[in-house]
Amino acid sequence: DQQVKQNSPSLSVQEGRISILNCDYTNSMFDYFLWYKKYPAEGPTFLISISSIKDKNEDGRFTVFLNKSAKHLSLHIVPSQPGDSAVYFCAAIRSYNTDKLIFGTGTRLQVFP
Amino acid sequence: GAVVSQHPSRVICKSGTSVKIECRSLDFQATTMFWYRQFPKQSLMLMATSNEGSKATYEQGVEKDKFLINHASLTLSTLTVTSAHPEDSSFYICSARALLGNYEQYFGPGTRLTVT
Repeated sequence: DQQVKQNSPSLSVQEGRISILNCDYTNSMFDYFLWYKKYPAEGPTFLISISSIKDKNEDGRFTVFLNKSAKHLSLHIVPSQPGDSAVYFCAAIRSYNTDKLIFGTGTRLQVFP
Repeated sequence: GAVVSQHPSRVICKSGTSVKIECRSLDFQATTMFWYRQFPKQSLMLMATSNEGSKATYEQGVEKDKFLINHASLTLSTLTVTSAHPEDSSFYICSARALLGNYEQYFGPGTRLTVT
């Protein structure tokens, strides 16, 4: 049972444009969400997170939006840069119960010139 | 800050031998460390959670006698794959959660294990 889903396995965006990566979850008990970036043969790098008490969190070029009623979150990258090309994972956690991250399946972002 | 190292980065071993992978938090103390496994083109699958000084908690389907985890200090956890078989070949990644902080986990660079 995949509790965190990233339905788009890949996304291609032109440099300078906005990249929007989507993530859906099924468990309403999740209360903290994170986005990670991963290059091949490397560990994931933490990007940005959001608590369920918020609906938006921004850090530089990265903004995460959370829609609790739709059980949906998205990561916006603007402007997109070629160095952003990587696999992006969203992850969710039930913070009061466990610190176990549940990862989505990932979306491969390619930013072309 | 928040750097996690793993050693070795790549290891090839013969079937039946044991392999130890080290995970260190270099600039922070980690109350909890996690071990993941990633198969090609798949998500990260949590294998076990280890807290310093206590026994690791294994996920369903992960053999605790095969994947031995030791978390002896706040900066070091080790994963030993015992009696390795070719099906154990995978990319193993550790992560650490800071003693003081939010729920972010900081990941090591991973270890590519190939069992021949």
